[in-house]
Amino acid sequence: SQTIHQWPATLVQPVGSPLSLECTVEGTSNPNLYWYRQAAGRGLQLLFYSVGIGQISSEVPQNLSASRPQDRQFILSSKKLLLSDSGFYLCALAASPLGYEQYFGPGTRLTVT
Amino acid sequence: SQQGEEDPQALSIQEGENATMNCSYKTSINNLQWYRQNSGRGLVHLILIRSNEREKHSGRLRVTLDTSKKSSSLLITASRAADTASYFCATASQTGANNLFFGTGTRLTVIP
Repeated sequence: SQTIHQWPATLVQPVGSPLSLECTVEGTSNPNLYWYRQAAGRGLQLLFYSVGIGQISSEVPQNLSASRPQDRQFILSSKKLLLSDSGFYLCALAASPLGYEQYFGPGTRLTVT
Repeated sequence: SQQGEEDPQALSIQEGENATMNCSYKTSINNLQWYRQNSGRGLVHLILIRSNEREKHSGRLRVTLDTSKKSSSLLITASRAADTASYFCATASQTGANNLFFGTGTRLTVIP
């Protein structure tokens, strides 16, 4: 079965500092990968998705970028964090073409101060 | 926006009672899914219902889908304290890379 690892679990960063969140997956090949952000008490906002190595699609233009250097690695980055970047970041995969279900990692809680 | 909305935003019931949550969405869909999220954790997939299905069961879960009204409901029967969590509906469009659009969630509290 698929396993999704995210680190770090929590992160406190000052405004203007860089960001790198990593997601790695196991138990599947060539998955679709997703980055979501969840504001406190709210639903999930899709930020980026990737259907393969080096292929990134952005859903919402903002202060973040994503990369997929390997099939099972998905990275979320920022050069300069804003206060509004605070939130709970979730990585997910869909083991296409087996189905549309998505499997989520444990998340990273980011607080920008 | 394709994002769905759940109703109610919060629900508190006694253990053993049934819990019903509703979801409305705006565009045509391929399928609709329900997820559960315990506080501070990732989401867990519960059930998927395709656009040509009207009802689906999984254990104590029952999901209905009315595509003419663009709405779905999730029923949890004989609730338990462990069912306390937030529940989200998510819609998958008829095109795209399996992208899901999530609703705003219902916070369910089951009182022992």
